[in-house]
Amino acid sequence: SAVISQKPSRDICQRGTSLTIQCQVDSQVTMMFWYRQQPGQSLTLIATANQGSEATYESGFVIDKFPISRPNLTFSTLTVSNMSPEDSSIYLCSVNVGNTIYFGEGSWLTVV
Amino acid sequence: QQQVKQSPQSLIVQKGGISIINCAYENTAFDYFPWYQQFPGKGPALLIAIRPDVSEKKEGRFTISFNKSAKQFSLHIMDSQPGDSATYFCAASLGGTYKYIFGTGTRLKVLA
Repeated sequence: SAVISQKPSRDICQRGTSLTIQCQVDSQVTMMFWYRQQPGQSLTLIATANQGSEATYESGFVIDKFPISRPNLTFSTLTVSNMSPEDSSIYLCSVNVGNTIYFGEGSWLTVV
Repeated sequence: QQQVKQSPQSLIVQKGGISIINCAYENTAFDYFPWYQQFPGKGPALLIAIRPDVSEKKEGRFTISFNKSAKQFSLHIMDSQPGDSATYFCAASLGGTYKYIFGTGTRLKVLA
């Protein structure tokens, strides 16, 4: 398994601002993933972040809105840019160990 | 074709009863089917997983039944307990990609 720490755990953000979420893993992993979970909804993959290369974004998500960094094998950041109330969600960092995906506790963002 | 359909949306079970959650998929390229449990305020945690070459997998009170020909799989929680009250997500993974497609979730409530 893997221990995944996310910061911040919760935040209330003003419309139009940007927030960067940090994800730290206790072991080196090749791939890190960022998911979004809107209130009461399922999980949707935003992007896959590999160290040393550009993140790969899923349909409906763009780099300008969700820039991602992956400076090393244990750390990644996701920025939610120019936030609107529709961005109020849980943002989850995850990693694969073997064939399984493990999730962090999530970052709960509320945009007002 | 990329969807995973999950039912029911919510489920209420008496303590000691059996909880059954069903999922169906279309894409035969899916080759890994995990179930996640999510408590309020927490990230999803892996519960149990199965591959299509196995028809059933049991871990404690949790059993996955898999019907490859029908492209369906289900989670059975035996002797359901109030502590099992959570949201359950099924998922399917595209071979080798670690990209998970999640079902819409089932909110389970076990009455004491």
